[in-house]
Amino acid sequence: QKEVEQDPGPLSVPEGAIVSLNCTYSNSAFQYFMWYRQYSRKGPELLMYTYSSGNKEDGRFTAQVDKSSKYISLFIRDSQPSDSATYLCAISGSARQLTFGSGTQLTVLP
Amino acid sequence: NAGVMQNPRHLVRRRGQEARLRCSPMKGHSHVYWYRQLPEEGLKFMVYLQKENIIDESGMPKERFSAEFPKEGPSILRIQQVVRGDSAAYFCASSEGTTNEKLFFGSGTQLSVL
Repeated sequence: QKEVEQDPGPLSVPEGAIVSLNCTYSNSAFQYFMWYRQYSRKGPELLMYTYSSGNKEDGRFTAQVDKSSKYISLFIRDSQPSDSATYLCAISGSARQLTFGSGTQLTVLP
Repeated sequence: NAGVMQNPRHLVRRRGQEARLRCSPMKGHSHVYWYRQLPEEGLKFMVYLQKENIIDESGMPKERFSAEFPKEGPSILRIQQVVRGDSAAYFCASSEGTTNEKLFFGSGTQLSVL
């Protein structure tokens, strides 16, 4: 079993839709939860960072963490074609190294 | 306000040659991390360094791979005697080095081994 599982997609939605991206993890020692966005042939860009259960909102993005279920989500409201990218969840414990999901490829159609 | 700088962006090597990948962290960041992304796979941790120290190299292959972060200059990831399986995107990230776990990534070096 992988430490972090992420549905690879691909996911295709119309412009304006609400997008839901999810990851599950197995190690309860994980403390920090992140979402990165990666455009083709670019480095990952940090979108959201949280270290507690609950919701964190930043503009059109909401990160949700449920530690009891070992489940994290990223919601994108009013999705735009510019949101088309691969979204990576990343989780870490105290060792500073991030464990990444395999990424979900999202396409937002105009 | 430059971000993490990596060079070269693309590197082509023949089997058996050496590859050197360079990474300059963001200004004010003293911690550097190297990750590898193989085709159709996620990012995999390789090594974590501070200035002049390797903190965690648990993700580094046991042979041919080494990393350094000298007192002056960029961090270097060195791959000796490259093989085709080393072909991948190599990403460097940096962080402030506090309890803040936020990592900021460079644009990567795409290594192709012929």
